Amino acid sequence: QVQLVQSGSELKKPGASVKVSCKASGYTFTSYGMNWVRQAPGQGLEWMGWMNTDTGNPTYAQDLTGRFVFSLDTSVRTAYLQISSLKGEDTAVYYCARDGSSGSHLDYWGQGTLVTVSS
Amino acid sequence: QSALTQPASVSGSPGQSITISCTGTTSDVGASNYVSWYQQHPGKAPKLMIYDVSNRPSGVSNRFSGSKSGNTASLTISGLQAEDEADYYCTSYPSTSTVVFGGGTRLTVL
Repeated sequence: QVQLVQSGSELKKPGASVKVSCKASGYTFTSYGMNWVRQAPGQGLEWMGWMNTDTGNPTYAQDLTGRFVFSLDTSVRTAYLQISSLKGEDTAVYYCARDGSSGSHLDYWGQGTLVTVSS
Repeated sequence: QSALTQPASVSGSPGQSITISCTGTTSDVGASNYVSWYQQHPGKAPKLMIYDVSNRPSGVSNRFSGSKSGNTASLTISGLQAEDEADYYCTSYPSTSTVVFGGGTRLTVL
């Protein structure tokens, strides 16, 4: 069965960096795109962008700053989200989510990774 | 890209039907049939409930249905059950490789 397993919660100080991982299993990793979605405390879902797992080409949401970088390691079927120069406003749960077969929806989601930025 | 507009909250009694609306523009909801709906229980990851306006993934109850008219998509839940109490989000794909979420609707089962 399809599973996306994310890395554990992180507590970071402002200005630090964090790398969240999303390990996929149960399907051909490079056949489906991988999206990243964040949810600030008490807020709604916000699409951050997606990674073409076949070409390695990332697409970022229009208002996402350059502090966010998507990457892949196809040898271990894992997608990564790196956030640099962390700010308090980056405190959120970050989800990875697989593209559905038609590319029009997100059919499987990771369990989420809470990143807390606090001094 | 602005978020799609959803009511902040809806409520219904067990056994009733409710409908959650998702209003966009001619550039997103009105432009394609790529509208999907997600259910999120507190502290849990979202779950796909409806895709491509009205298709249900395997395993999702047929009490959930979706539709679209013009720039507004709708999610209807019939035979409301206590377990349906959750947040619901719609999404649309206004262009290739762009996804926009609705603001979310909290469903309360009275």
